[in-house]
Amino acid sequence: QVQLQESGPGLVKPSQTLSLTCTVSGDSVDNRNAYWSWVRQPAGTGLEWIGHIYNTGVSGVPNYNPSLRSRVTVSLDTAKNQFSLNLNSVTAADTATYYCARVAFWNGLGFDSWGQGTLVTVSS
Amino acid sequence: EIVLTQSPGTLSLSPGHTATLSCRASQSVSTTWLSWYQQKPGQAPRLIIYSTSNRATGIPDRFSGSGSGTDFTLTISRLEPEDFAVYYCQQYGNTPEFSFGPGTTVDIK
Repeated sequence: QVQLQESGPGLVKPSQTLSLTCTVSGDSVDNRNAYWSWVRQPAGTGLEWIGHIYNTGVSGVPNYNPSLRSRVTVSLDTAKNQFSLNLNSVTAADTATYYCARVAFWNGLGFDSWGQGTLVTVSS
Repeated sequence: EIVLTQSPGTLSLSPGHTATLSCRASQSVSTTWLSWYQQKPGQAPRLIIYSTSNRATGIPDRFSGSGSGTDFTLTISRLEPEDFAVYYCQQYGNTPEFSFGPGTTVDIK
């Protein structure tokens, strides 16, 4: 059974970079039938897809939500079976619970496995 | 950009009743790429339906999905206490590549 676990600072200062890592077990980030994704959820509101990365076997190919594209980087570390999120120039509006998730090609590109989520607060 | 709208915002029902949740897209969505999620307080979302009508692993058959084009429906028959939660629809395919609806809360009447 695949498991995902987010890790990273829970508090980030405005204008700085939010960095999170997702450690995957029970599957490989080399899996070419999955996207490895980040989704966030501000308190009391809905879900926003941030971006994902896909391993082609040659390299990781990212794709981002246009609303965040100028500030986001998602990367792979196949040796550690992890993927990461960097979001720069953060403001209070980036305060949210951040989830990593697997998008499975065999499940109609549904997000079929999720981490427990990690709350990141942007505040000085 | 495809925008997903869900209705009603809140559905108040008693256990044993049937919940009918709507998801409407601003443009046509492929049935292959329409999913539904359940989220309970303090938990991550859980995939319950993918490709419009396929139940995810371990999802009971009282959950069913249907629809096409711009109108999709999640039906929960014989509501159980554990079914009271927030439900989101999600599409893949258009900018942004993935997007979610705002959610419908199913609460106990």
